[in-house]
Amino acid sequence: QVQLVQSGAEVKKPGASVKVSCKASGYTFTSYDINWVRQATGQGLEWMGWMNPNSGNTGYAQKFQGRVTMTRNTSISTAYMELSSLRSEDTAVYYCARRVTGFDYWGQGTLVTVSS
Amino acid sequence: DIVMTQSPDSLAVSLGERATINCKSSQSVLYSSNNKNYLAWYQQKPGQPPKLLIYWASTRESGVPDRFSGSGSGTDFTLTISSLQAEDVAVYYCQQYYSTLPTFGPGTKVDIK
Repeated sequence: QVQLVQSGAEVKKPGASVKVSCKASGYTFTSYDINWVRQATGQGLEWMGWMNPNSGNTGYAQKFQGRVTMTRNTSISTAYMELSSLRSEDTAVYYCARRVTGFDYWGQGTLVTVSS
Repeated sequence: DIVMTQSPDSLAVSLGERATINCKSSQSVLYSSNNKNYLAWYQQKPGQPPKLLIYWASTRESGVPDRFSGSGSGTDFTLTISSLQAEDVAVYYCQQYYSTLPTFGPGTKVDIK
């Protein structure tokens, strides 16, 4: 069965970077884009960007341009999202999601807390 | 960017009654070459990731109960829960994937009256 398993919760200081992983199983990793979506506590869903695991091509929301990098390691079917220059407003749950038409499978979420 | 809006922000419906959520996009998400609306609906319960309910505006994802239905075209869309069940209490989001930069609506919270 299709699964996306994300890395564990992180606590970071302002100005630091965080790298979240998303390991895919149950399907051919390179066949579908991986998207990243975040959600602050009590807030809505905010799309961050996409990555094509086959080509490595990416597309980022303008809000995150210059601060986010999405990469992958096809040998271990894992996608990564790195966010730099963290600030308190980046405290949120970060999700990876597979896109077929809509986002049909989601990771369990990774809580990133930014606090001094 | 395509901006998605939803109405109402929240609604409370009696068990067994109909719930209707509206979604509007700032530009058409109907792709003329295939006549498909690039619009999805998601359900999110507390502490869980979102769950895909509907794609292509009206196609139910496998396993989704048939009390959930989607309709609309172009810029105006509706999600209908025909007979609300207790397990349907959640926040519902629409999303356009017409653009290479997908965007979500702000969400509609559905509760039991």
